Amino acid sequence: EAGVTQSPTHLIKTRGQQATLRCSPISGHTSVYWYQQALGLGLQFLLWYDEGEERNRGNFPPRFSGRQFPNYSSELNVNALELEDSALYLCASSLETNTGKDTQYFGPGTRLTVL
Amino acid sequence: KNQVEQSPQSLIILEGKNCTLQCNYTVSPFSNLRWYKQDTGRGPVSLTIMTFSENTKSNGRYTATLDADTKQSSLHITASQLSDSASYICVVITSGGSYIPTFGRGTSLIVHP
Repeated sequence: EAGVTQSPTHLIKTRGQQATLRCSPISGHTSVYWYQQALGLGLQFLLWYDEGEERNRGNFPPRFSGRQFPNYSSELNVNALELEDSALYLCASSLETNTGKDTQYFGPGTRLTVL
Repeated sequence: KNQVEQSPQSLIILEGKNCTLQCNYTVSPFSNLRWYKQDTGRGPVSLTIMTFSENTKSNGRYTATLDADTKQSSLHITASQLSDSASYICVVITSGGSYIPTFGRGTSLIVHP
């Protein structure tokens, strides 16, 4: 069974540009989560999508947005990139049962570098 | 403010030895606590998920404990192996109808031969 996949592996952008990151969940999983892991900081929760809807978002500005497609894949968009957006962006998927206790399976991440 | 504190920040042990990592939290209301292992350059892998009523949960050589009264958790690694070298992350999930995680900064474990 294929795991969570993310693309691209690496992305280099300049300040002010937009970045689009993509995630394909494990087959059968309806929930997708996005996280940011900046160097020296812990993981931070960005967004949670389930059944095509945004269910919750973390403490990030509106220029971080995303969507989930009918096939449950997802993309994360970051507008007006800033230097501090440089980080590893991780996607995870789970079988959402409204319990908040489902195991999440993470992808390998996209390394975003903003110059 | 919800917080998760992990200790030690880093740890070096010899292969075959046991070790215990600590996680203290002030998250409320509590739903569940998770331990993840993250190898360098990889995504985290779930080790255990514990709810309020669970005191101990094992996954192979990994055993997590939870004391909901003192808001403390520990992850015990038995007979360490070189492959255990990784960052171990404690996450506490807030209840209330949605998914709200609070992450610790992680403990970096290095196992030497």
